[in-house]
Amino acid sequence: DQQVKQNSPSLSVQEGRISILNCDYTNSMFDYFLWYKKYPAEGPTFLISISSIKDKNEDGRFTVFLNKSAKHLSLHIVPSQPGDSAVYFCAASASTGSYQLTFGKGTKLSVIP
Amino acid sequence: ETGVTQSPTHLIKTRGQQVTLRCSSQSGHNTVSWYQQALGQGPQFIFQYYREEENGRGNFPPRFSGLQFPNYSSELNVNALELDDSALYLCASSFSSGGAYNEQFFGPGTRLTVL
Repeated sequence: DQQVKQNSPSLSVQEGRISILNCDYTNSMFDYFLWYKKYPAEGPTFLISISSIKDKNEDGRFTVFLNKSAKHLSLHIVPSQPGDSAVYFCAASASTGSYQLTFGKGTKLSVIP
Repeated sequence: ETGVTQSPTHLIKTRGQQVTLRCSSQSGHNTVSWYQQALGQGPQFIFQYYREEENGRGNFPPRFSGLQFPNYSSELNVNALELDDSALYLCASSFSSGGAYNEQFFGPGTRLTVL
């Protein structure tokens, strides 16, 4: 039973355009959400996060939106750059116990020059 | 500041063998978590150690065990290896002060192949 779902295995976007990566979750106990970026042969790198008390968080070209009623979050990258090409993982955590991360399967983003 | 390091990078074992993977936490971090990432999947939480004690465990059998040492380095041990244990094993360290999520920093992983 997948508690965090990324339904798009891959996404191709033209350089300079917006990339939108989506993520859905089922566990109502999740109250902290993160996006990680992963290049081949490297570990995941933290990108941006959002607490459930907010509905938007921005950091430079990256914005994460959270819709709690729909249990949905999205990552917007504007403008997309070729260096953004990587696998993006959505992750969620609950403020109980060990704050372990539950990950989605990832979306491979390809930004075409 | 040294990041999270893991050894070895790659490892090949046969079914039934035992394996030990190692992780060196980022300086100043007191918590380490281990994740298994199978091909085409996201990382899956195995367990977490805080101040040398297990502080949470995912849905993994007891043949997956761990240790955290006083210098906050860590080991993941897997006994009686099965073919499905083939995966990338990721270690993540963080500083926990209690009561809030703290960013986890991941190492590059150890690629384990079980034949």
